[in-house]
Amino acid sequence: DQQVKQNSPSLSVQEGRISILNCDYTNSMFDYFLWYKKYPAEGPTFLISISSIKDKNEDGRFTVFLNKSAKHLSLHIVPSQPGDSAVYFCAASSRGGAQKLVFGQGTRLTINP
Amino acid sequence: DAGITQSPRHKVTETGTPVTLRCHQTENHRYMYWYRQDPGHGLRLIHYSYGVKDTDKGEVSDGYSVSRSKTEDFLLTLESATSSQTSVYFCAISEETGAGGGYTFGSGTRLTVV
Repeated sequence: DQQVKQNSPSLSVQEGRISILNCDYTNSMFDYFLWYKKYPAEGPTFLISISSIKDKNEDGRFTVFLNKSAKHLSLHIVPSQPGDSAVYFCAASSRGGAQKLVFGQGTRLTINP
Repeated sequence: DAGITQSPRHKVTETGTPVTLRCHQTENHRYMYWYRQDPGHGLRLIHYSYGVKDTDKGEVSDGYSVSRSKTEDFLLTLESATSSQTSVYFCAISEETGAGGGYTFGSGTRLTVV
């Protein structure tokens, strides 16, 4: 029972173009969503988050969009850079207490020069 | 800024042997977590702790136990390792929710059970 799903295992984008990573969730109790970036042999690092009271959050080149009715969120990276090549995980939780994050399977993003 | 460290980084062990992985933090965060990462599954929660001696199960806790005798240390034990427990294990820490940044992860322990 995968509550958070990333249906694209991989994505290849040309440098300078926009990268769009997608994530779907099934649990209506989730009210906080996060994106993490992971390089090989390292732990995931926090990238950007969004609360369910918002539908968009921006941080520099990174924007996360949340569509609660569709239970869908997406991460936009523009312009894409070679250093963005990594595995991206979306995660979701209900606020309060231990914040147990539920992660998607991850999407491997490759930025081609 | 190694506020969280995991040891060992790599380990190969035989089926049926006990294994303990250690997570150490210097951030004085209340919450600590153990996840495993497997292809096609992302990261799945094994156990977590919400204070000294306070722990609870995650979604894949069978075959694992944990202990937290000090704020800074969270141990994960495989009582009798099996090949299905070959994985990369990540420890994470967090403050009370609402801070917005989620977890800080360690660098991981790659465990191979042969």
